[in-house]
Amino acid sequence: GAGVSQSPRYKVAKRGQDVALRCDPISGHVSLFWYQQALGQGPEFLTYFQNEAQLDKSGLPSDRFFAERPEGSVSTLKIQRTQQEDSAVYLCASSLRGGAGVEKLFFGSGTQLSVL
Amino acid sequence: AQSVSQHNHHVILSEAASLELGCNYSYGGTVNLFWYVQYPGQHLQLLLKYFSGDPLVKGIKGFEAEFIKSKFSFNLRKPSVQWSDTAEYFCAVNAKGNNRLAFGKGNQVVVIP
Repeated sequence: GAGVSQSPRYKVAKRGQDVALRCDPISGHVSLFWYQQALGQGPEFLTYFQNEAQLDKSGLPSDRFFAERPEGSVSTLKIQRTQQEDSAVYLCASSLRGGAGVEKLFFGSGTQLSVL
Repeated sequence: AQSVSQHNHHVILSEAASLELGCNYSYGGTVNLFWYVQYPGQHLQLLLKYFSGDPLVKGIKGFEAEFIKSKFSFNLRKPSVQWSDTAEYFCAVNAKGNNRLAFGKGNQVVVIP
């Protein structure tokens, strides 16, 4: 596609519900990142994939958060037993190359998650 | 871990005024530096970046930024803003050899026609 696509655009969940957020990166991009952006804050790193390998998940805030990219393209961020503090915009970004260092990231429009 | 500070979260100015947004980071090693911009209703996009070489970098739409290593700063400037520069601006830092970006809290800039 032309850019990074995320779905759904908005998600409302009841506290305790599980949610799954999808990211379609730009075709051929090796690296994929998930960021969490709380209201009034900058994006915070969650996790990084190089192809299908999750090389860094140190930013995931708890074991309720899980991300996968099984075929090295589409990625899913899953949040189990959602809590109110999980309310945020979840951003996905991709970049062409893998390896160390961060080149130009292409961001999606994000999924705005509201937990009631 | 690296951290990024951006001050003056809300900036309001008139067209043709000059803009300068401060960015300071805390990390003692070698860094890559970025400014990203988010226009209303759009996704984050890269404005400019510094990896090495000339510390004065020029980006899109007339923006430039200067890396001052001794001050751990990477301030963004534009001599004359336009209404279309209304956006949120984020400074970001990457420690070389690391795969993550650390973002500041952003500056919400409103340009009044």
